Amino acid sequence: QSVLTQPPSVSGAPGQRVTISCTGSSSNIGSAYDVHWYQQLPGTAPKLLIYGNINRPSGVPDRFSASKSGTSASLAITGLQAEDEADYYCQSYDRLSGVVFGGGTKLTVL
Amino acid sequence: EVQLLESGGGLEQPGGSLRLSCVASGFIFSNYAMSWVRQPPGKGLEWVSTISGSGGSTYYADSVKGRFTLSRDNSKNTLSLQMKSLRAEDTAVYYCAKVLSGYNYGGFDYWGQGTLVTVSS
Repeated sequence: QSVLTQPPSVSGAPGQRVTISCTGSSSNIGSAYDVHWYQQLPGTAPKLLIYGNINRPSGVPDRFSASKSGTSASLAITGLQAEDEADYYCQSYDRLSGVVFGGGTKLTVL
Repeated sequence: EVQLLESGGGLEQPGGSLRLSCVASGFIFSNYAMSWVRQPPGKGLEWVSTISGSGGSTYYADSVKGRFTLSRDNSKNTLSLQMKSLRAEDTAVYYCAKVLSGYNYGGFDYWGQGTLVTVSS
C-alpha cells in the first residue's frame, strides 16, 4: 500500500490527452512538499519528467505538464504518442515515512 | 555528462550480506545528496536511503533501518550501500540516484542503470 495513490493504469489513443492523478495526505503533498514525476520505459531506469511540481527538465517535451493542489497532484500528457507508453510514478516527501513514491501508473497507447 | 555506475549485486542467501557501490562522474559529487532506490521484480519504486553531500547525515526507510548502512567517499566519487541480514523481500533492482540541487531527499535527476540483488536460498 503506497503512501501516494495512483491509478494502476490509464490509456488513450494517439493524439489524445491523458491525465494521471497522485493522491496524498496532509503529511506529504498537503504539507507543501514538492511532487516529482518519473517516466520508466520498459526495461530501463526511471527518468525525471517533472520536478518541483510543475517544472520540466531540459529535453522533456512540453506535451508533459503537471499541477498540484491541496493533497493531490496530476500529470497531463497531450498529443499522446506511441513512445509515451511507459510506467509513470509520482514522488514526494512524507513527514512520517521519508521519501515516498506512488504505486505507479501504466500508460497504454491504444 | 552525468554517469552513475552501480556494481555489487548478485545472489545472496537470507541472512547474508552484500555491498553495493556506485561510482559517479560528470558533476561535483560532494555537492549533492545521493540516494538508493529499489524496485522489486514487476513492482514499483521504493526509496531505500539518502546521504547528504558531506556524508554527515543519513536517512533510511523503515524497512531497512538497522540492517543497511549508506556511506560515501567524496575523494573517490563513490557511494556505498552495506546490506546485512538480507531478506527475501530485499530482492530488487537497486538504483543509485543523484538528488536534485536544492533538495535534501528527492527528486532524483539522474539514475544509474541498476544492479540486481536476489536473496534466496
